[in-house]
Amino acid sequence: GAGVSQSPSNKVTEKGKDVELRCDPISGHTALYWYRQSLGQGLEFLIYFQGNSAPDKSGLPSDRFSAERTGGSVSTLTIQRTQQEDSAVYLCASSLQLKDTQYFGPGTRLTVL
Amino acid sequence: GNSVTQMEGPVTLSEEAFLTINCTYTATGYPSLFWYVQYPGEGLQLLLKATKADDKGSNKGFEATYRKETTSFHLEKGSVQVSDSAVYFCALSENDYKLSFGAGTTVTVRA
Repeated sequence: GAGVSQSPSNKVTEKGKDVELRCDPISGHTALYWYRQSLGQGLEFLIYFQGNSAPDKSGLPSDRFSAERTGGSVSTLTIQRTQQEDSAVYLCASSLQLKDTQYFGPGTRLTVL
Repeated sequence: GNSVTQMEGPVTLSEEAFLTINCTYTATGYPSLFWYVQYPGEGLQLLLKATKADDKGSNKGFEATYRKETTSFHLEKGSVQVSDSAVYFCALSENDYKLSFGAGTTVTVRA
């Protein structure tokens, strides 16, 4: 079956612009997670959604970052007024339930010039 | 808070050599422990996991045992192949299900 997909695979933007990153989880998975992989910080948790519950936003690095999940499926991570330190690979993962194995997508490589 | 410390790389080995990657953790409770692998050009994949003390996770010839007394989850493989060249990440999660990752260890296996 299809795995987690993310788009775009690569995004180059100018400092100060807004970007939207998309994640399509595995069908039927109720939990969805966003992580960031950067040279300086390694792999770090950003946010997760479980069903229709309020998301756990505890890992978002600033109020420029937000995410939503529509209809319990597709999720969009938005970064406003991008900064160079936002350059990283943004990874999405999904799991059947919160306690289950997380399956990762291929990531979106964001470069902020 | 939770944290994971894993052996720094890079590690370079010859085929059929024995591989160990050390991983220790700090957690407030009783976490689940994982090893994820990222092959060149691919996404993160779960390699193995263990959910309680003394559990052994195994997959593709790799093994790791959850050692509560030493707060460790070292990854081992008895005979590596070129295809095992990848970046390996140790990780943990507690009741909040967020994964906390180590820094990653790059392993290169030469023929």
